[in-house]
Amino acid sequence: AQSVTQPDIHITVSEGASLELRCNYSYGATPYLFWYVQSPGQGLQLLLKYFSGDTLVQGIKGFEAEFKRSQSSFNLRKPSVHWSDAAEYFCAVGGKTSYDKVIFGPGTSLSVIP
Amino acid sequence: DVKVTQSSRYLVKRTGEKVFLECVQDMDHENMFWYRQDPGLGLRLIYFSYDVKMKEKGDIPEGYSVSREKKERFSLILESASTNQTSMYLCASSPQLAKNIQYFGAGTRLSVL
Repeated sequence: AQSVTQPDIHITVSEGASLELRCNYSYGATPYLFWYVQSPGQGLQLLLKYFSGDTLVQGIKGFEAEFKRSQSSFNLRKPSVHWSDAAEYFCAVGGKTSYDKVIFGPGTSLSVIP
Repeated sequence: DVKVTQSSRYLVKRTGEKVFLECVQDMDHENMFWYRQDPGLGLRLIYFSYDVKMKEKGDIPEGYSVSREKKERFSLILESASTNQTSMYLCASSPQLAKNIQYFGAGTRLSVL
């Protein structure tokens, strides 16, 4: 079955500290992979995506993610967190055909301590 | 920038009422989606549409219907609202050639009393 897991429901980091949010997926083939961010009271905004090629992808707001096929993982990282990064983060996977849906993980809530 | 607009940010309805949630996108996208978002469950797909007058059931269509009479507008209908439909509802759209890159509206938080 296709699924996405985000093992951490909630993470708290200090401003300026590094961040890594974990994402693991189960999918029949190599999927398209995404990270979205949802600020309080807002919809989801695409941070970055992986379709193929270089397994380290850069996104907006200083985020990056690394696709590791052997671990079925797509972890999100940021070297130095800002207070404005406090939000909900969703990992998602999608297929390559027109009939494949995007499957979202349950989300990780990030709090940033000043 | 792509803009997906949901007509209401907050709605309060009573059990048994018919509820319409409206979504409009301004980028001529072929695909439109309705999700509900609940804590710990992420986003679950209710219905989606690949074209005008076309609709497909998602993972949790029970208790919902949709309408897409125009390309830019996708409506979610709760025929008889129930308390277990209290949730955040998110609309999204995507272009045909990049179906998986979805653009989201700000969401409608619906409370059914």
